[in-house]
Amino acid sequence: RKEVEQDPGPFNVPEGATVAFNCTYSNSASQSFFWYRQDCRKEPKLLMSVYSSGNEDGRFTAQLNRASQYISLLIRDSKLSDSATYLCVVGYSGSARQLTFGSGTQLTVLP
Amino acid sequence: NAGVTQTPKFQVLKTGQSMTLQCAQDMNHNSMYWYRQDPGMGLRLIYYSASEGTTDKGEVPNGYNVSRLNKREFSLRLESAAPSQTSVYFCASGARVGYGYTFGSGTRLTVV
Repeated sequence: RKEVEQDPGPFNVPEGATVAFNCTYSNSASQSFFWYRQDCRKEPKLLMSVYSSGNEDGRFTAQLNRASQYISLLIRDSKLSDSATYLCVVGYSGSARQLTFGSGTQLTVLP
Repeated sequence: NAGVTQTPKFQVLKTGQSMTLQCAQDMNHNSMYWYRQDPGMGLRLIYYSASEGTTDKGEVPNGYNVSRLNKREFSLRLESAAPSQTSVYFCASGARVGYGYTFGSGTRLTVV
């Protein structure tokens, strides 16, 4: 079983739609959680951290469910510029490697 | 504020040639990482350095070596390039686990 698993997609949604991605992780001792965004042929960039109480950044909402070991990302009112691959990332300070990356979920927002 | 700088951005090698990918960060991060990314495979960790003076193998270390030259610089060397090493290579650095990583812009390597 992979440490971090994501639905690879692709998700194709119309502009203005709401889309949600889920991610599960296997290490119950994980402490830090992130969503990264990667545009085609570019490096991954931090989109947002995920906090236990859930957090929002504009149109983006992230949720964490520690009991079920899953993380979600909700994008409201999708824009063409949201088209990218979204990487779920989990961190554990007990490992020198720190962060483990999921394989990513591809989103295409259609006009 | 450069962040993480990788060189070169593109490289074509012949099978058997060697080369070194350079990475430098100016954020005073302790940890540095080398990943490769292939279509459909996601990011795979090659080597990492938790602090200056230490290096450890990741998931796919075969065919690579690394050097943590100082706190800023972490290089990746291919001693005898093979077509299977054609990939996009990313360097990243991180402070503490709660703060995520910053990535360089990548090196696109083709081995023919």
